[in-house]
Amino acid sequence: AQSVTQLGSHVSVSEGALVLLRCNYSSSVPPYLFWYVQYPNQGLQLLLKYTSAATLVKGINGFEAEFKKSETSFHLTKPSAHMSDAAEYFCAVSGGSQGNLIFGKGTKLSVKP
Amino acid sequence: EAQVTQNPRYLITVTGKKLTVTCSQNMNHEYMSWYRQDPGLGLRQIYYSMNVEVTDKGDVPEGYKVSRKEKRNFPLILESPSPNQTSLYFCASSPRDSLNEQFFGPGTRLTVL
Repeated sequence: AQSVTQLGSHVSVSEGALVLLRCNYSSSVPPYLFWYVQYPNQGLQLLLKYTSAATLVKGINGFEAEFKKSETSFHLTKPSAHMSDAAEYFCAVSGGSQGNLIFGKGTKLSVKP
Repeated sequence: EAQVTQNPRYLITVTGKKLTVTCSQNMNHEYMSWYRQDPGLGLRQIYYSMNVEVTDKGDVPEGYKVSRKEKRNFPLILESPSPNQTSLYFCASSPRDSLNEQFFGPGTRLTVL
C-alpha cells in the first residue's frame, strides 16, 4: 500500500533562506508523486509532479523537487524563500487503480521577515 | 475557464439535518472524487467515481453518499450529519487517462453542531 510521510508539521525560515520540505513515500509500484500548496482559505494548487521522467522536477513559483528512489524521498526545495510562500504544503503519492491521491499530513511553512 | 466549483463554500448545520454539497466541473472529466481535510490528518478520500453511474468507496466513506447521474456533477450527501463530520471538503476531477492529474475545487467548510 502507498503511504507518504512528511517530516515536520511546521517549518519556519527567514525571507531569502533556503526552503526544504521533506517527503518520504512508500509504494509497491513505481510512484507518481506530487506536491500541492494550500494558501490560507483556499483550495489545493499543484506545485509540481513526478511521473517517471526526469528525476529533478521544476514547478511553479521557483520550487523544485528531486525524486530519489534509493532514499524513497521527494523533498521540495526553493533556494530563496519569499513572504508569499507562507502556506501549507502537501506531498502526495498516486494510490493506484482507485485513482486517489494518498496525502501526507502537511507541512505549514512560515516565512519570517 | 476550466474549473471545479463547489457549493456552498461555508455551511453550519445541526446534527441530523440532511445536506448536500454540490460539485461541478466543466472539463469533461470522467473521474471525480471527494476528500475531507482534517488538521494533522491531511486529505483522505471519501468516495470516487470513474464515470457516470459508477461510484465506489474511498478510505473514509462512512456517513456519506454520492451520486453521479451526469458527467459534470458529483454531489456529496450527508443524510444525517454528525459533529465528527465537521471538516473541510474538497472535490476533485481528472481525465480518465490521467487519473493522477487531479484538479481541486475551492473547498467547502462544514460545521455540524
